[in-house]
Amino acid sequence: AAGVIQSPRHLIKEKRETATLKCYPIPRHDTVYWYQQGPGQDPQFLISFYEKMQSDKGSIPDRFSAQQFSDYHSELNMSSLELGDSALYFCASSLSAGGETQYFGPGTRLLVL
Amino acid sequence: QQQVKQSPQSLIVQKGGISIINCAYENTAFDYFPWYQQFPGKGPALLIAIRPDVSEKKEGRFTISFNKSAKQFSLHIMDSQPGDSATYFCAAPNNAGGTSYGKLTFGQGTILTVHP
Repeated sequence: AAGVIQSPRHLIKEKRETATLKCYPIPRHDTVYWYQQGPGQDPQFLISFYEKMQSDKGSIPDRFSAQQFSDYHSELNMSSLELGDSALYFCASSLSAGGETQYFGPGTRLLVL
Repeated sequence: QQQVKQSPQSLIVQKGGISIINCAYENTAFDYFPWYQQFPGKGPALLIAIRPDVSEKKEGRFTISFNKSAKQFSLHIMDSQPGDSATYFCAAPNNAGGTSYGKLTFGQGTILTVHP
């Protein structure tokens, strides 16, 4: 069965650089969520989209922005990267019609040097 | 404020033993309680989930027990195997309202180690 696809899987950036993370949800899933997970931490919700509209917002820094496109894929744009942004970034998708279950992608490991 | 509290932080059991992880929640609006299993460097994978209208759900070696009045639920892993060694998270979705379920609030996680 098709799963959530994230790219790139690993990313190394310098401080103050920008990064773009991509997420391709499970086919027919219309809702995408982004989470950030620091070492030894639980995933923290950043932002979500339903039918290309932002549906909820969590502890996402103003330096970050995201959007969902017409094919339902989503991109998380991160600017002015800081050392503290080093983390695993997960995308999850769900089907809004009775779909409370969120399926997670393999994640993007971002390292900011 | 942690809306979902999980314990213990770490757990060591012998192969064949029972692993028990507990979670407590604050928000009575929560109506769906999934458990996720995560291996190092991998994404969380749904293990089993329960709704508050039932007190127990079993899938293979994994059982969720739910106590609505106490606002607690637990994961039991029977016949624990070394391959079960992973981090386990309980979670609950905050409904954003409208047409979709909302963000997941996770417990702090339990690192399970099953010794052969």
